[in-house]
Amino acid sequence: GDSVTQMEGPVTLSEEAFLTINCTYTATGYPSLFWYVQYPGEGLQLLLKATKADDKGSNKGFEATYRKETTSFHLEKGSVQVSDSAVYFCALTDSGSARQLTFGSGTQLTVLP
Amino acid sequence: NAGVTQTPKFQVLKTGQSMTLQCAQDMNHEYMSWYRQDPGMGLRLIHYSVGAGITDQGEVPNGYNVSRSTTEDFPLRLLSAAPSQTSVYFCASSYSPGTNTGELFFGEGSRLTVL
Repeated sequence: GDSVTQMEGPVTLSEEAFLTINCTYTATGYPSLFWYVQYPGEGLQLLLKATKADDKGSNKGFEATYRKETTSFHLEKGSVQVSDSAVYFCALTDSGSARQLTFGSGTQLTVLP
Repeated sequence: NAGVTQTPKFQVLKTGQSMTLQCAQDMNHEYMSWYRQDPGMGLRLIHYSVGAGITDQGEVPNGYNVSRSTTEDFPLRLLSAAPSQTSVYFCASSYSPGTNTGELFFGEGSRLTVL
């Protein structure tokens, strides 16, 4: 079945540092890929997505490129802020349907001033 | 903009007690779902519904019941709570599952502790 593997956290960075959170996946078809973010005390919200190979999703300074050859969708940001402290989830759907979203285990990011 | 509203936000139960977690959305979404979030395990799908009167099981349905009498509401019932059901529960909704791109809209979560 489909699966998503994220780098284990927690990740602690200083403000303005470069961020990478690794995500690799296993899927039988051609999945759509997502990054969701969960700020403290809140539900998850969609951060960015990519629906086909070589697509780059971007939002709020975050980027991730759909790499089919390495089955990866790593999240990057050039300069993190304290307000980026949150849990980040990588996810995929093989069918384009929300009911078949598969989530990774999440990566806790803490940014220190 | 209310979005997806869950109640209660916190609840403590004793083993064997029953309760209902409420979920309501005001976006006219056909698809609604319940997830549980446990440390190191991400989110796991409990039950989902593709429209009023239609429900189906997800990955971890045992111990939970759902119903969907209206488009707006999707309550989750625990008939006899067990300590293994201690978790954070999220309700989520989206547009028609046949045409969406996989984006879910989440509520703020309900933290349940079963003693």
